[in-house]
Amino acid sequence: GAVVSQHPSRVICKSGTSVKIECRSLDFQATTMFWYRQFPKQSLMLMATSNEGSKATYEQGVEKDKFLINHASLTLSTLTVTSAHPEDSSFYICSARISGDLNQPQHFGDGTRLSIL
Amino acid sequence: TQLLEQSPQFLSIQEGENLTVYCNSSSVFSSLQWYRQEPGEGPVLLVTVVTGGEVKKLKRLTFQFGDARKDSSLHITAAQPGDTGLYLCAGNKAAGNKLTFGGGTRVLVKP
Repeated sequence: GAVVSQHPSRVICKSGTSVKIECRSLDFQATTMFWYRQFPKQSLMLMATSNEGSKATYEQGVEKDKFLINHASLTLSTLTVTSAHPEDSSFYICSARISGDLNQPQHFGDGTRLSIL
Repeated sequence: TQLLEQSPQFLSIQEGENLTVYCNSSSVFSSLQWYRQEPGEGPVLLVTVVTGGEVKKLKRLTFQFGDARKDSSLHITAAQPGDTGLYLCAGNKAAGNKLTFGGGTRVLVKP
């Protein structure tokens, strides 16, 4: 089956630090990857759609300068939380869809728990 | 207001009982997925439904897509503690579009 790997699984850092999260599709190519944020006991909220070789599309209310997304290859997208503050603490999850088939479902990584002190 | 409304938000039942989770919308979806998520992990895909009126079975889980493709349900027969988790429905308004998630239903099956 399609496997998506996220790294790191957990980050604890001081306020003001920038944190990079990687999302890799291990056994398939993904033209499009998605980044979600999930607060405790809530559902997933889409932050942005990451497109290989072009700029990401951000959802309303998500600051693109705060959450930098790079999708430089068909198997890797990165999300950088710049100058993170305690309110950025959350569970960040990426997903990827197999290239070339728009009817394929999204496959999710195991998430990254970010805690800003 | 969420595009996809899930109900109930929380369900606590005894092992062996049945349960149904609903996912409703006023919008039409080209496909709808159901996921289960456990704490600290990403959602795991259970099923995708694409045809109005479609019924899919996965062991003790039965998924139905409404005729008008605006709603869906998940029914679990003889629930087991291993069924405990957060159940999420998510829809695509058109193929290749971003997923819209429902608010989730937290299910607790007590032994």
